[in-house]
Amino acid sequence: AQKVTQAQTEISVVEKEDVTLDCVYETRDTTYYLFWYKQPPSGELVFLIRRNSFDEQNEISGRYSWNFQKSTSSFNFTITASQVVDSAVYFCAFANFGNEKLTFGTGTRLTIIP
Amino acid sequence: DVKVTQSSRYLVKRTGEKVFLECVQDMDHENMFWYRQDPGLGLRLIYFSYDVKMKEKGDIPEGYSVSREKKERFSLILESASTNQTSMYLCASSSPLILGAEQFFGPGTRLTVL
Repeated sequence: AQKVTQAQTEISVVEKEDVTLDCVYETRDTTYYLFWYKQPPSGELVFLIRRNSFDEQNEISGRYSWNFQKSTSSFNFTITASQVVDSAVYFCAFANFGNEKLTFGTGTRLTIIP
Repeated sequence: DVKVTQSSRYLVKRTGEKVFLECVQDMDHENMFWYRQDPGLGLRLIYFSYDVKMKEKGDIPEGYSVSREKKERFSLILESASTNQTSMYLCASSSPLILGAEQFFGPGTRLTVL
């Protein structure tokens, strides 16, 4: 069975600092999907990114970047020049190819201090 | 924009009551999901439906049932609510992942069972 580990329960950084959220997954499958979601204080999960296992290219979207490394089974998320609006709980998730069900990590609560 | 709505943001029920949580999506998605979110445990899948009248158990189905009579509506039923079912309940919907989809979430229902 697959498993997603987000070892960082809570992180606090001062505004404008860079911060990396770690995600490690376990699976025996060779094809799968990885996701990151953001849950702001309002509660509704917001989709950030999806990655397929056969695409290891890193992705950058504005201040957000993602580092996918199959060799270490990691899919880490970096926020550059953090802002107060980045304060949220962030979830990493995994799905096997052909399976519609997501397995979520336990989340990382990120607090940006003004 | 995809819209997933849930019938209540907050709900208070008594032990032993039958509880219905309703979820409606407006994007003609095949898949619908019910999760519960608890501190330190992340999101855990209760039930999943991939078509009308079709359902699959998730990781924690005990004490719950579901109903999907129409494609846009997915109901979670607590036959006899118990205090350990106090939680945040999140509904989601998606097209099949193989089509490049992601899950879209509703705002959540915070259920308290007294």
